Amino acid sequence: DQQVKQNSPSLSVQEGRISILNCDYTNSMFDYFLWYKKYPAEGPTFLISISSIKDKNEDGRFTVFLNKSAKHLSLHIVPSQPGDSAVYFCAASEDRDDKIIFGKGTRLHILP
Amino acid sequence: DAGVIQSPRHEVTEMGQEVTLRCKPISGHNSLFWYRQTMMRGLELLIYFNNNVPIDDSGMPEDRFSAKMPNASFSTLKIQPSEPRDSAVYFCASNPRDGSYEQYFGPGTRLTVT
Repeated sequence: DQQVKQNSPSLSVQEGRISILNCDYTNSMFDYFLWYKKYPAEGPTFLISISSIKDKNEDGRFTVFLNKSAKHLSLHIVPSQPGDSAVYFCAASEDRDDKIIFGKGTRLHILP
Repeated sequence: DAGVIQSPRHEVTEMGQEVTLRCKPISGHNSLFWYRQTMMRGLELLIYFNNNVPIDDSGMPEDRFSAKMPNASFSTLKIQPSEPRDSAVYFCASNPRDGSYEQYFGPGTRLTVT
């Protein structure tokens, strides 16, 4: 059973528009959430995170929104650029736990 | 800093053979994680170590898989005997255990078992 779910395997967005990647989780004990980005033939790299005490965290073109009551988070990228084409992993962790649980990923294609 | 180093980058082997994957974490990082990535299951945690001690190996699929961390700068993941269903990309990651959840990943080893 997947504790972190990314229900969209892929997403295509026009360059310059907003990309919205969604993630749902089932474990109410999760209190820290991360997004990782992965290019082909490379390891995932950390992108942005959010603690459960916040509902929004912004870093440049990237914003993560957290809705605890719905157990849902989303990553917004605006404006989308060609270099944003990659696989994005949503991940979550419980307090005082070293483990991170990853979703299956969403492949984002930025169209010219 | 060289980042997390994994070797080999690619491994092709025949069913039944022993496979050893290697990882050097970032210097000073006290936690080390082994993951496996497949299309069907995504990125799965296999095992992780804190200060060279295995903490959670519940993700190790079966007894054919074993992992060791003899010192702070080296870890191995061994599969013996290997099977075609073990074909995947295996990642190693490390974390400084300074309160940050962020893990730093290596480039991965692509394993193909024929």
